[in-house]
Amino acid sequence: DTAVSQTPKYLVTQMGNDKSIKCEQNLGHDTMYWYKQDSKKFLKIMFSYNNKELIINETVPNRFSPKSPDKAHLNLHINSLELGDSAVYFCASSTSGSSYNEQFFGPGTRLTVL
Amino acid sequence: GNSVTQMEGPVTLSEEAFLTINCTYTATGYPSLFWYVQYPGEGLQLLLKATKADDKGSNKGFEATYRKETTSFHLEKGSVQVSDSAVYFCALSDSKAAGNKLTFGGGTRVLVKP
Repeated sequence: DTAVSQTPKYLVTQMGNDKSIKCEQNLGHDTMYWYKQDSKKFLKIMFSYNNKELIINETVPNRFSPKSPDKAHLNLHINSLELGDSAVYFCASSTSGSSYNEQFFGPGTRLTVL
Repeated sequence: GNSVTQMEGPVTLSEEAFLTINCTYTATGYPSLFWYVQYPGEGLQLLLKATKADDKGSNKGFEATYRKETTSFHLEKGSVQVSDSAVYFCALSDSKAAGNKLTFGGGTRVLVKP
């Protein structure tokens, strides 16, 4: 059983296009996250949602718009894609309430903007 | 703000060698500390964690001790295997920060040769 799943796994698109990445978790967690991993493997938080409510928005350009239709899903929509958006995007989930709760990561979506 | 610094790689070792990856942190609150591992082409998996000073996390032969006095959480393994080849990330989650986000170090690539 897949705990945190993302689709698609690979996404190749042209500059200026709009694209979405979907994330689902079946762990019963109430908090979900999006992280961006750049070409040097550096990982940085983008967004966090708790029970469909936005908790963290780390100065991400407003071309990025997360949407959480329910607490098991957190999708990421990106408008007007730029070359610098090329990266691997990871979704994660955890239970809330404590900073020591493990976050479970999805397999990642490799986005390439041409 | 919070930050995590870990030694840059790549680290190249022979099988059965001793592995140490240094990690130091700065945090405004009382962080929980984590080591995550990323195998090639996969998402991140929790390797071990420690939630308070002097705690030792251990898993799969890896160990790390939470040292508040030196703000460190160094990862060690006494005898590495080829299957340990991966990128290792040190991370913290700060109890004083909203959303339980993980702040990652830059990652250390480890290559174990037979």
